[in-house]
Amino acid sequence: EVQLVESGGGLVKPGGSLRLSCAASGFTFSNAWMSWVRQAPGKGLEWVGHIKSKTDGGTKDYAAPVKDRFFISRDDLQSTLFLQMNSLKTEDTAMYFCTRDSGIDGDFYSDYWGQGTLVTVSS
Amino acid sequence: SYELTQPPSVSVSPGQTARITCSGDTLPKKFGYWYQQKSGQAPVLVIYEDSKRPSGIPERFSGSSSGTMATLTISGAQVEDEAAYYCYSADNSGRGVFGGGTKLTVL
Repeated sequence: EVQLVESGGGLVKPGGSLRLSCAASGFTFSNAWMSWVRQAPGKGLEWVGHIKSKTDGGTKDYAAPVKDRFFISRDDLQSTLFLQMNSLKTEDTAMYFCTRDSGIDGDFYSDYWGQGTLVTVSS
Repeated sequence: SYELTQPPSVSVSPGQTARITCSGDTLPKKFGYWYQQKSGQAPVLVIYEDSKRPSGIPERFSGSSSGTMATLTISGAQVEDEAAYYCYSADNSGRGVFGGGTKLTVL
């Protein structure tokens, strides 16, 4: 059974940093592309970014609002995905979901989702 | 930036057919996907690659795509189908994009 468990959320001041983790199990993590998706309170889903498997180059793509502030990485030995968030803004307040990607290059989607971890950016 | 456009809300009576649309310029070349999100829960994939249904998703859920429009159809909507539905696709730059979401009311 695929399981994705996020952790690391919490309250942080504007301008601060936070690192989220996602522990994966039930599939071969090293072969998987992985994504982060967020949802501000009462709002819709927003794709944050993803990382390809090392076999497929390990490249990363990010949504424009987080580019150059957020960084995705992975530890295939520990089956863990990370999201390093820097220079946080109040508009980054959201539930952050870890997802497993499926599909093909250029046409990928999230087939499994974690339950999310809440990040609140406030002074 | 690329956008997918959905109606904010759709309302049907139990047993009626609900149709939720999603428009986007790259949909003729990219697959459309649909997620169901009930209050306080993580999203669940209900349709992938325009019209395929994951295992465990009831047959009343179906999807189609034509030109710049993808459509999620719930035939014989049930009260338990009340949720927010999001369409999704990848843009030409290899980034994911979600529609704004449609709140389905069944009553």
